[in-house]
Amino acid sequence: GAGVSQSPRYKVAKRGQDVALRCDPISGHVSLFWYQQALGQGPEFLTYFQNEAQLDKSGLPSDRFFAERPEGSVSTLKIQRTQQEDSAVYLCASSLAASGYEQYFGPGTRLTVT
Amino acid sequence: DQQVKQNSPSLSVQEGRISILNCDYTNSMFDYFLWYKKYPAEGPTFLISISSIKDKNEDGRFTVFLNKSAKHLSLHIVPSQPGDSAVYFCAASPLFTQGGSEKLVFGKGTKLTVNP
Repeated sequence: GAGVSQSPRYKVAKRGQDVALRCDPISGHVSLFWYQQALGQGPEFLTYFQNEAQLDKSGLPSDRFFAERPEGSVSTLKIQRTQQEDSAVYLCASSLAASGYEQYFGPGTRLTVT
Repeated sequence: DQQVKQNSPSLSVQEGRISILNCDYTNSMFDYFLWYKKYPAEGPTFLISISSIKDKNEDGRFTVFLNKSAKHLSLHIVPSQPGDSAVYFCAASPLFTQGGSEKLVFGKGTKLTVNP
């Protein structure tokens, strides 16, 4: 596909459930980022991959959040034992290289924890 | 502490006039700046960027100005069109980090409405 795709687009989870969010970056893009966007806020950085290596996970809010990109393309963000404060839009972005290139965003996954 | 600030939550302009969206930043390590446009239920779409070695970058109707000494940038849209109505985010990052990532730090956004 031409752009970044994410699935599912919408997810409703009961508090305490585990969820997995998928991101398909633009083919050939080395860098992949996950962001969390709360209502009325700008996106906030969660984690960054360069190929399959997770180089920065400083934005992950707790050890319930885990991300992987095992083959350097598709990435999964997993949230264990979801809490209400995890409700947000989760955005994935990819870029051609690590530095000085614009990031292209997917449509996001809206997670609602009830 | 917000490192990137967009102090106007909303802006309304008439079609054909100029729209000016403003952004301030506090981190002197930032040297790459981007503007994104976002429609409801879609991801942010890249508009235009500027690195700190420039003070202006132009792409069609969109121009970004950077005043590094004031830590301020602005996006000018001329002429404004109704299809420009969206939320605009300012974002910043360092061009090079030691062992880190070029993660973007975003402002909270400004909702632009262009009236026909």
